[in-house]
Amino acid sequence: EPEVTQTPSHQVTQMGQEVILRCVPISNHLYFYWYRQILGQKVEFLVSFYNNEISEKSEIFDDQFSVERPDGSNFTLKIRSTKLEDSAMYFCASSEGTGIIHGYTFGSGTRLTVV
Amino acid sequence: AQSVTQLGSHVSVSEGALVLLRCNYSSSVPPYLFWYVQYPNQGLQLLLKYTTGATLVKGINGFEAEFKKSETSFHLTKPSAHMSDAAEYFCAVSKTQGGSEKLVFGKGTKLTVNP
Repeated sequence: EPEVTQTPSHQVTQMGQEVILRCVPISNHLYFYWYRQILGQKVEFLVSFYNNEISEKSEIFDDQFSVERPDGSNFTLKIRSTKLEDSAMYFCASSEGTGIIHGYTFGSGTRLTVV
Repeated sequence: AQSVTQLGSHVSVSEGALVLLRCNYSSSVPPYLFWYVQYPNQGLQLLLKYTTGATLVKGINGFEAEFKKSETSFHLTKPSAHMSDAAEYFCAVSKTQGGSEKLVFGKGTKLTVNP
């Protein structure tokens, strides 16, 4: 069964450093998403991306965050200057059509630890 | 704004016993409702979803959920628990109107199955 692949599975970075989280969505999917889960808290929506632009973003997704689909296969989340509170599990997801009807496929996540 | 409340952060059942995981939602518009499961070190997997039509929804692995509008509930059940059901379960809601694609998740319920 097709999978959404996220790399790395775990990343440790120093506060203030830039980090890029990578995702390879399912090949025929058109809609892409990032969610995050701070330890012990809810899974939270960050951003949705369609047709090479952001279609929706949450208030969490401030100027230090950006997303890109640089080469037609990868979908990346960049955090420019990491803070301790950015430590979380970050999930990428993709869907064939509008995700709500089709349902998303989530990746296994990248655990980001900011020290 | 939409929200989800999952009653009980931890639920423990015996193998073969009924599984009941509770989810109540709040939504200003008719909702789409979802249950996801997360096994250790894995991503979020869609168990089942309610969009329209029949209010009793059947999903994978023998799980089902019933949409009860009058109670604003979408509880997840399984008649007989297996050891392999041990995981964390997340209820989520999304809008049917307004073009938003985001899922709003509950905090999750960790299910333990005892032999």
